Amino acid sequence: AQSVTQLGSHVSVSEGALVLLRCNYSSSVPPYLFWYVQYPNQGLQLLLKYTTGATLVKGINGFEAEFKKSETSFHLTKPSAHMSDAAEYFCAVSINQAGTALIFGKGTTLSVSS
Amino acid sequence: DVKVTQSSRYLVKRTGEKVFLECVQDMDHENMFWYRQDPGLGLRLIYFSYDVKMKEKGDIPEGYSVSREKKERFSLILESASTNQTSMYLCASSPPFGNQPQHFGDGTRLSIL
Repeated sequence: AQSVTQLGSHVSVSEGALVLLRCNYSSSVPPYLFWYVQYPNQGLQLLLKYTTGATLVKGINGFEAEFKKSETSFHLTKPSAHMSDAAEYFCAVSINQAGTALIFGKGTTLSVSS
Repeated sequence: DVKVTQSSRYLVKRTGEKVFLECVQDMDHENMFWYRQDPGLGLRLIYFSYDVKMKEKGDIPEGYSVSREKKERFSLILESASTNQTSMYLCASSPPFGNQPQHFGDGTRLSIL
């Protein structure tokens, strides 16, 4: 079975500061990993995904994440926060099997102050 | 772009009513999903379907049922709505394999009075 833990339900940064949102996963088989963002009153939008290959994955809006198998982590980073990055972020895991669903973490709310 | 459309953004119903939430996708995806989102609990899977007329229970199926008569449409049914089913409901679709992302609708905020 797979599971996801997002460390910190709320993260606050200043505009221009580094953003680091933490995600650890558990999976008995090679995982596929995703980060989604949700803006107020909207559905979830894919930020980036890791399936195979390069472990450093770049996504939209300047975000990137690194798959570290030894640490079972997939932390999301952005070098310089912008006010528009304020949103809720979800990490998710799945496996290479037809008919399976994503398993989501509980989410991290990012606040950005000026 | 993939479009997942949920029939209502906001819905208010009364306890005991039978409630239908509709979701349509336009990308011929095999998989469709219904999630419930509550503060501090993240997204919890209610049901999903990997083919027409097929369904699988998720983590919290109690009090809900689903219908998938056509590939593009996946309906969530609250048989007898209760106040503890007040929540945000999100529909998603995806191709069959786990390396493909899910695409989400904008959600239906359902209030049961």
